[in-house]
Amino acid sequence: EVQLVESGGGLIQPGGSLRLSCVASGFTFSSYAMSWVRLAPGKGLEWVSAVRVHSAFTLYADSVKGRFTVSRDDSKNTLYLQINYLGVEDTAVYYCAKDGQRYYDFDYWGQGTQVTVSS
Amino acid sequence: QSALTQPPSASGSPGQSVTISCTGSNSDVGAYPSVSWYQHYPGKAPKLIIYEVSKRPSGVPDRFSGSKSGNTASLTVSGLQAEDEADYYCSSHAGINTWAVFGGGTKLTVL
Repeated sequence: EVQLVESGGGLIQPGGSLRLSCVASGFTFSSYAMSWVRLAPGKGLEWVSAVRVHSAFTLYADSVKGRFTVSRDDSKNTLYLQINYLGVEDTAVYYCAKDGQRYYDFDYWGQGTQVTVSS
Repeated sequence: QSALTQPPSASGSPGQSVTISCTGSNSDVGAYPSVSWYQHYPGKAPKLIIYEVSKRPSGVPDRFSGSKSGNTASLTVSGLQAEDEADYYCSSHAGINTWAVFGGGTKLTVL
């Protein structure tokens, strides 16, 4: 059974940093691209970042470019998202999602970790 | 503002059919065979219910169907059941610099 478990969220002041983690199980993690997607209050889902297999390529939404860094440790079956210079607009539930290896769909998602940016 | 446009709400009675639209542009929905739909119960993990415009993952009831015409994709839920009450999001690939763009979501209410 595929499982994705996020952690690392919390209440953080504007300008602060966080590192989110997503531990994967039930599939060969190293063989799949992975993404982070967030859901802000009152808004729709927003794709944030993706990393291809072997960390060969990373991609970011314009809204987070330069502040967020995605990485993966295939030896630990873990996906990371380093978030710097947090703003209130980054308040959201952050989900990790597994690539479906078809046409840019996400076939499994975690339950998310809440990030709240507030002074 | 989301890249793809969905109606904020939709509703239907049990047994009826409801269709949710997802309008994009020539750079996303109209350009790629990559529209996906996700069902999301608040507080839970989103679930893929349609990929590549009209294909269903294993285990998804055939009451859910997808289609596309030009820059607009649609999700149809037939034979509505109470358990279908959830938020539904569409997504599409949008080119080399963006893995996916999403719609703003549609809250489906079963009356």
